[in-house]
Amino acid sequence: NAGVTQTPKFQVLKTGQSMTLQCAQDMNHEYMSWYRQDPGMGLRLIHYSVGAGITDQGEVPNGYNVSRSTTEDFPLRLLSAAPSQTSVYFCASSPDSNSYNEQFFGPGTRLTVL
Amino acid sequence: RKEVEQDPGPFNVPEGATVAFNCTYSNSASQSFFWYRQDCRKEPKLLMSVYSSGNEDGRFTAQLNRASQYISLLIRDSKLSDSATYLCAVRETGRRALTFGSGTRLQVQP
Repeated sequence: NAGVTQTPKFQVLKTGQSMTLQCAQDMNHEYMSWYRQDPGMGLRLIHYSVGAGITDQGEVPNGYNVSRSTTEDFPLRLLSAAPSQTSVYFCASSPDSNSYNEQFFGPGTRLTVL
Repeated sequence: RKEVEQDPGPFNVPEGATVAFNCTYSNSASQSFFWYRQDCRKEPKLLMSVYSSGNEDGRFTAQLNRASQYISLLIRDSKLSDSATYLCAVRETGRRALTFGSGTRLQVQP
């Protein structure tokens, strides 16, 4: 199993550009989520999904869209990039949203918005 | 006040030392607790879950104090390879997502 994969690893955008961060998992996990990590702020939840066709907002959803058309994929779209979205983005998955299940993280995407 | 708070450190300790970190949470309805380890420029990985009775995994011991609303992580006989950032994570009852602290950095020195 590849686990959780993310592409690209690095990306530089100009203000106003749009792009999609890809996330895929091959563990048949129901629950997937996106976090951003900024210095001194820890991991903050952007959006999450409890299964195909179901998504919900996290703590910091503004400026981001998600969809979950398959169990495996959970892309994150930046609609119009802003410098405040410069961050490291992590995708995570777990078998379901059961309380004690471990979340498995992807390797992250480092995004810079100029 | 942040929902989950940690001392950012860094904690600089010599090899072989015992070091402890605390993590406080604000919501008494919190249900599940975890410690994750994150190496520099890498993704977080689960170190251990924290159970009500406390639990131990080798040199690592996790404790939960519900009355004072904190969890702790104790590392005995520190190794150079323990150098990392340790993130605590909390799940509130009825919520599906985890809330993470900002992490405590540990540097073990030879």
